[in-house]
Amino acid sequence: AQKVTQAQTEISVVEKEDVTLDCVYETRDTTYYLFWYKQPPSGELVFLIRRNSFDEQNEISGRYSWNFQKSTSSFNFTITASQVVDSAVYFCALDHAGNTGKLIFGQGTTLQVKP
Amino acid sequence: DTEVTQTPKHLVMGMTNKKSLKCEQHMGHRAMYWYKQKAKKPPELMFVYSYEKLSINESVPSRFSPECPNSSLLNLHLHALQPEDSALYLCASSPYRGQNTEAFFGQGTRLTVV
Repeated sequence: AQKVTQAQTEISVVEKEDVTLDCVYETRDTTYYLFWYKQPPSGELVFLIRRNSFDEQNEISGRYSWNFQKSTSSFNFTITASQVVDSAVYFCALDHAGNTGKLIFGQGTTLQVKP
Repeated sequence: DTEVTQTPKHLVMGMTNKKSLKCEQHMGHRAMYWYKQKAKKPPELMFVYSYEKLSINESVPSRFSPECPNSSLLNLHLHALQPEDSALYLCASSPYRGQNTEAFFGQGTRLTVV
């Protein structure tokens, strides 16, 4: 079975703090893709990153960084020096087996960044 | 242009009404999706179209009827909905259906069934 777990339901930080959002996944596939999406209050899901199972290099994009560890089936997301505009719901997702294009989403983590 | 445009943004309908949600993209994407999202829940896939053909129907009730008139447009026809169908309906598109591609989402239609 495929599953994505985001254990943190809500996180609240003060601006400029660093924050890490956890994501743990389950899959029997050897080839798979993991995603992070941001959903601000306006509703749309904004694509942040896609990572395939063969690429365990950490990635940094500005204040965002991702730590992919196959050994622990985790794909964690860190925001450095958080800003109020980072307040949103963040979803980790796994592509469904069979190359269907279907995404298996975690339950999401609501991040509130206070000024 | 990396936008997926959904109309209307808000919709209130009665249980006997017929309405349609529209989704448009001009990125040349050949896969389009409908997701349903209840409050404080993740999106749930409803339908997938690939090259204008329905490829996945996630056992969605027949009161939801998708249509893909061309490669840029995706509709969701609604009929005889129930109050529990109230949700945010998200449309998405991707270059093709598959793993090595990210989906671009619209802002959604917030549907309320009264």
